[in-house]
Amino acid sequence: DIQMTQSPSTLSASVGDRVTLTCRASQDISEWLAWYQQKPGQAPKLLVYQASNLQKGVPARFSGGGSGTDFTLTISSLQPDDFATYYCQQYISYATFGQGTKVDLK
Amino acid sequence: QVQLVQSGAEVKTPGSSAKVSCKASGGSFSNYVIGWVRQAPGQGLEWMGRIISFMDKTDYAPKFRDRVTITADTSTSTFYMDLSDLRSEDTAIYYCAFGSISVRLGPRGAWYGPWGQGTLLTVSS
Repeated sequence: DIQMTQSPSTLSASVGDRVTLTCRASQDISEWLAWYQQKPGQAPKLLVYQASNLQKGVPARFSGGGSGTDFTLTISSLQPDDFATYYCQQYISYATFGQGTKVDLK
Repeated sequence: QVQLVQSGAEVKTPGSSAKVSCKASGGSFSNYVIGWVRQAPGQGLEWMGRIISFMDKTDYAPKFRDRVTITADTSTSTFYMDLSDLRSEDTAIYYCAFGSISVRLGPRGAWYGPWGQGTLLTVSS
């Protein structure tokens, strides 16, 4: 089984900050990675697929990068609507999610 | 624009079964992937399995293989996740989600969006 590890578990930041979330796979998954945002009481929302492809309608301040085993999700200028929990998911073999990174207000 | 609407919350007793439905609209469902993901209270996301229409195929996570069945009623564009032998640790929100497959990767995996609103399943005696 492919394990996904996200860091940090919690990230405290301020509006306007540039923040980078990290996701590491236990084996090479090439570019087959997606990122999701989840707010309390809501279903997850797809942000990025294939490591760096922004889903339609997602603000351009979000960007994904990486390949192989190490991936990042960057928010260039954190907005009030971005405080949420973020999950990565590999899909080279079925699906596995990371444990999530919560972005909260510093 | 695909939309997924799930059935309402349920309370079940240990050892019983639950069947959650997910009705799709706004798209073509002759070729689709529908995945099921659960989230225990305060916890992360856990992939349970999926159905792939064009391969007439289902895949399940090893943890759930013995207890979960995913089916589809193409006449009504409704998908079902049946979980048997319920335990208290199955208390969670269950989501269905529309899956997309890369032509290069093929059906080995899928990314998911949009998602249904979620169904809370409570298992309690």
